[in-house]
Amino acid sequence: GPKVLQIPSHQIIDMGQMVTLNCDPVSNHLYFYWYKQILGQQMEFLVNFYNGKVMEKSKLFKDQFSVERPDGSYFTLKIQPTALEDSAVYFCASSSTGGFNYAEQFFGPGTRLTVL
Amino acid sequence: GDKVKQSPSALSLQEGTNSALRCNFSIAATTVQWFLQNPRGSLINLFYLVPGTKENGRLKSTFNSKESYSTLHIRDAQLEDSGTYFCAAEESGTYQRFGTGTKLQVVP
Repeated sequence: GPKVLQIPSHQIIDMGQMVTLNCDPVSNHLYFYWYKQILGQQMEFLVNFYNGKVMEKSKLFKDQFSVERPDGSYFTLKIQPTALEDSAVYFCASSSTGGFNYAEQFFGPGTRLTVL
Repeated sequence: GDKVKQSPSALSLQEGTNSALRCNFSIAATTVQWFLQNPRGSLINLFYLVPGTKENGRLKSTFNSKESYSTLHIRDAQLEDSGTYFCAAEESGTYQRFGTGTKLQVVP
């Protein structure tokens, strides 16, 4: 099936540092998403993004978080500064449509972020 | 509380047997996705549903929007079916919410 790639697979950083997680979505997809999963728990929606803008975000999407997709390259999640509670696996997803006609989302393998 | 609840939370199945997982919503879900999160953590798409039923091999899923639930039936369970099954529901105009997950272990 369609593949979403995420780079890096693991990232370890010190609290207070900045981190950027990268997502290479399915090539013809237009809607992009980030989710957070703390080990053993459910997947939590963070944000979705379309046409250069954040469409929706949850309360987990703190002010320290930002997303962008400059010039059709990677879809990125930046956390600045990081906090201990940001340690989790972050999953990127993409879909071909969105809005009121959401389509099937395809997920990347996740980036495991550890904040020390 | 959780708007998408799954049951059971954990399940052990003998190889070759059948079972059903359930997802109950307290939102007006318009679409449902089912995923298997394998032991490596990757999410595998199983089904994307509007109200109705889909079947794929040993798996079958039904989404009943009027009664606010979806089911995933596993027939002739195999060892490789082990992992955590998540449903995720979308309410029109808002984001997809994941369920609490069902951890399935298939044993010989």
